[in-house]
Amino acid sequence: DQQVKQNSPSLSVQEGRISILNCDYTNSMFDYFLWYKKYPAEGPTFLISISSIKDKNEDGRFTVFLNKSAKHLSLHIVPSQPGDSAVYFCAARMKTSYDKVIFGPGTSLSVIP
Amino acid sequence: DVKVTQSSRYLVKRTGEKVFLECVQDMDHENMFWYRQDPGLGLRLIYFSYDVKMKEKGDIPEGYSVSREKKERFSLILESASTNQTSMYLCASSDLGHPGYFGPGTRLTVT
Repeated sequence: DQQVKQNSPSLSVQEGRISILNCDYTNSMFDYFLWYKKYPAEGPTFLISISSIKDKNEDGRFTVFLNKSAKHLSLHIVPSQPGDSAVYFCAARMKTSYDKVIFGPGTSLSVIP
Repeated sequence: DVKVTQSSRYLVKRTGEKVFLECVQDMDHENMFWYRQDPGLGLRLIYFSYDVKMKEKGDIPEGYSVSREKKERFSLILESASTNQTSMYLCASSDLGHPGYFGPGTRLTVT
């Protein structure tokens, strides 16, 4: 049973608009959440993270929101650019096993010029 | 520019063969990781290492072993390759708890 879920396998957004990628998790022991971005033929790169003591973290065009009661987080990209087209992985880390990061299945984002 | 390199981009092996996947990082990171990526399953942790000669099992260690004799090099070994080990294998390193930098991946096909 997947502990980190990304229910949308793909998403298409117009350039300049907002992209919202969603992620749900089931394990209340997760205390740190991460987003990674992956281009074809490359390894994932770390994008942004958020601790469970916060509900928002912002880095330029990227903002991650965390709703602990709903066990839900989302990544907002504003404005979306064609170079943002990639697969985005949501990931979570447990308090007791800080090296073991659990990844979701990924969402493929296409930003249309 | 930070780098994690993997020995092969593509590899084809026969069932029962012993397979070595090599990973090298040039950032002097303590932590190194091996993941496999399969469609619909995301990345799953096979093994990680937080120091030379130290290793910890991840979520799916069965059928795999690892070796870390030097800080910069982390090897993944498939003792006897099977078709269900056909996958994309990703190595990562970090000086934090979570993987920070990934290599480009090795697509392994076992026939």
